[in-house]
Amino acid sequence: DIQLTQSPSFLSASVGDRVTITCRTSQGISTYLAWYQQKPGNAPNLLIYAASTLQSGVPSRFSGTGSGSEFTLTISSLQPEDFATYYCQQVDSYPITFGQGTRLEIK
Amino acid sequence: QITLKESGPTLVKPTQTLTLTCTFSGFSLTSTGMGVGWIRQPPGKALEWLALIYWDNDESYSPSLKSRLSITKDTSKNQAVLTMTNLDPIDTATYYCAHKRGRGGPFDIWGQGTMVTVSS
Repeated sequence: DIQLTQSPSFLSASVGDRVTITCRTSQGISTYLAWYQQKPGNAPNLLIYAASTLQSGVPSRFSGTGSGSEFTLTISSLQPEDFATYYCQQVDSYPITFGQGTRLEIK
Repeated sequence: QITLKESGPTLVKPTQTLTLTCTFSGFSLTSTGMGVGWIRQPPGKALEWLALIYWDNDESYSPSLKSRLSITKDTSKNQAVLTMTNLDPIDTATYYCAHKRGRGGPFDIWGQGTMVTVSS
């Protein structure tokens, strides 16, 4: 199985901050990586797929980069609605796996 | 517009079998590239992929749960059904179904999820 390790697991930041979350995979997956945002009590919401393609309707302050085994999700200027948990996911090979999550909280 | 909704029991006894139904609209599992997956999330924990079925009947399962899972589709009803046998309290979780955009694509649209508690 391909293991996904997100860092940090917890992040405290302020509105307006620029934040970056990293996802490292145990083997190369080209760009078969997606990022999801999940708010308490809600289903995950797709933000980024193919490592860097913004899903329709997602604000442009979200961006993704990377290929191979290291990927990043950046939020350029945090908004109040961005405080949530973020997950990366690989779809390169089975089994499909997710990272452990990064919880982003208000400082 | 694609929508999905999970349905099934909220409480299951240990050793019983769980059957969850995902009813969807806005796409067909007869169309090339379309897939439906099941993902679960225990309270306070991370997401775990369970199973996937594609338009061409290709099925995939989490290796750790493969012996207990079965996924089927009913294209006439626009449904995908997940069956999990021999339930245990550790299977307590919110279960989601989601639309998958092709074999290399993400889960782009998710259902609201259904909470299943395994308890005697």
